[in-house]
Amino acid sequence: EVQLVESGGGLVQPGGSLRLSCEASGFTFNRHWMSWVRQAPGKGLEWVANINRDGSAKEYVDSVRGRFTISRDNAENSLYLQMNSLRAEDTAVYYCARDLGLASPGTEFDSWGQGTLVTVSS
Amino acid sequence: DIQMTQSPSSLSASVGDRVTITCRASQSISTYLNWYQQKPGEAPNLLIYTASTLQTGAPSRFSGRGSGTDFTLTISSLQPEDFATYFCQQSYRKPDTFGQGTKLEIK
Repeated sequence: EVQLVESGGGLVQPGGSLRLSCEASGFTFNRHWMSWVRQAPGKGLEWVANINRDGSAKEYVDSVRGRFTISRDNAENSLYLQMNSLRAEDTAVYYCARDLGLASPGTEFDSWGQGTLVTVSS
Repeated sequence: DIQMTQSPSSLSASVGDRVTITCRASQSISTYLNWYQQKPGEAPNLLIYTASTLQTGAPSRFSGRGSGTDFTLTISSLQPEDFATYFCQQSYRKPDTFGQGTKLEIK
């Protein structure tokens, strides 16, 4: 069974940092692109960042580029999101999500973690 | 960025009804369109990918159609467990973007 378990969320002051982790199990982690997707309370979904299978390619939404860094450790079956210079508008549940892995260039999120809540407030 | 607009934003229906949700892209996205179901307190769940392919394990009462800019998700006969929020997502061009969601409620 595919499982993704996020951790590392919490309350942080504006300007602070957090590192989110996502531990994967039940599948061959290094065969899948991975993403972080967030959802502000009561709002819709926003893709944040993705990373390719070996970690050599990364993409970010404009609002986090330069502040957030996505990374992975395939030996540990883990995905990370280092978040710096946090702002109130970064408050959200952060999900890690697995790309289905089709041959086409699109992204289909076929497995999600339960999410971890990040609250940025003074 | 490609804007995704869903309609309606909310919908009341009864068990057994046939329901259709629409998603429109601000530019052509071919068939790079996915649909997700999300229940309160849970993560989204992939239902349909590449516009019309049913995800493994998703009930066959769900179907998707469309290409270019206009897409639909249809539930052929609503079941009690289908009352949830539905999101479309384009992956034609980064950043991937989602519709604002359609909340399906019991009438």
